Amino acid sequence: TQLLEQSPQFLSIQEGENLTVYCNSSSVFSSLQWYRQEPGEGPVLLVTVVTGGEVKKLKRLTFQFGDARKDSSLHITAAQPGDTGLYLCAVKPFKTALIFGKGTTLSVSS
Amino acid sequence: EAGVAQSPRYKIIEKRQSVAFWCNPISGHATLYWYQQILGQGPKLLIQFQNNGVVDDSQLPKDRFSAERLKGVDSTLKIQPAKLEDSAVYLCASSFLSGTRAGELFFGEGSRLTVL
Repeated sequence: TQLLEQSPQFLSIQEGENLTVYCNSSSVFSSLQWYRQEPGEGPVLLVTVVTGGEVKKLKRLTFQFGDARKDSSLHITAAQPGDTGLYLCAVKPFKTALIFGKGTTLSVSS
Repeated sequence: EAGVAQSPRYKIIEKRQSVAFWCNPISGHATLYWYQQILGQGPKLLIQFQNNGVVDDSQLPKDRFSAERLKGVDSTLKIQPAKLEDSAVYLCASSFLSGTRAGELFFGEGSRLTVL
């Protein structure tokens, strides 16, 4: 079983649309990270959320950590082609390295 | 600052052959990771080093995979003999051991392996 479930798996939208992707788990975590991976590159950290209910904004990206610290969402406003990539959520259970979800592949066309 | 360096970027081999990947982490990063990323999936941890010691290799297929970080700096991941299912991108990452940025992983561009 996958520790982190990400949905949707694929998303194809037009430039200017809004979207939300989700990361869910049945376990509680002290923090959760979101990474973006562009084709041919390694993942790059976007944000770390640590407090239940926390909302963080990074330009047009809004990240929320669930109150129970089991889930998170990433909302993109007015998507642009440069937002295209694989969005990965990740957590670090006790005494293990970072574990990633399978990711959401986003394609934004102009 | 220089990022995580990996080589080669691409490698094509036949099954049962061997291959080695090299990684040079960011200077000052004590922790080094090797992840395997199969197409369409998230990265999966193979092994974690802290300085030159292994912290976690529970998911490393030890019958065919090996990794070392002899001087606590750069690292090599070897596969011998390769199987078709080893076709993947092998990502190296590094991080600080402690401090506010200890939880942030910095990844290299990856080494894409194709096994025919």
